[in-house]
Amino acid sequence: SAVISQKPSRDICQRGTSLTIQCQVDSQVTMMFWYRQQPGQSLTLIATANQGSEATYESGFVIDKFPISRPNLTFSTLTVSNMSPEDSSIYLCSVNGQNYGYTFGSGTRLTVV
Amino acid sequence: AQKITQTQPGMFVQEKEAVTLDCTYDTSDQSYGLFWYKQPSSGEMIFLIYQGSYDEQNATEGRYSLNFQKARKSANLVISASQLGDSAMYFCAMREFYGGATNKLIFGTGTLLAVQP
Repeated sequence: SAVISQKPSRDICQRGTSLTIQCQVDSQVTMMFWYRQQPGQSLTLIATANQGSEATYESGFVIDKFPISRPNLTFSTLTVSNMSPEDSSIYLCSVNGQNYGYTFGSGTRLTVV
Repeated sequence: AQKITQTQPGMFVQEKEAVTLDCTYDTSDQSYGLFWYKQPSSGEMIFLIYQGSYDEQNATEGRYSLNFQKARKSANLVISASQLGDSAMYFCAMREFYGGATNKLIFGTGTLLAVQP
């Protein structure tokens, strides 16, 4: 299975600012997925990022708030823009892994104050 | 629409005993996969076990086994000989292999397992 390096692992940010989360994969992958996990909640898919095309966003998520870049087959970034305390969550990137499931990065624990 | 239901918000188990975590699902597709992930307090998601909808035998991976009952649409996780390190949040998830453009992985709400010494 692919190995994903995600950073930062955690951050505390001021409201109104933006944070960019990076994920580097040790092999080429077609699709990368970004998830959000709000405190005490399950994982919710934000968007699917394909190399060379715009990301596909799930209902309730918009590009202006969560712009995604996918410059090549091993790298992607997710930006959380104009942050508010409601954006405090764990953000995880993932790729297709073993047995048709997903392999996840270690997550970014974001706190907005 | 696909849906995963985990009805146990929290579970306690004594060390060395077995525990079953419940999961039911809903899908109109014939081809799908069911997964269990473990999330320790550190936040990472650890893949535990997979069951394909066409697999005739229940999946097993070490101390983990999946009790797959297709007619009842249930995919319960059984952890045998619980260890203190098993204390974590456990998520059931499903992925449809046809019909969805992204074939995304959908998660249940999770069960928090506490193993007591």
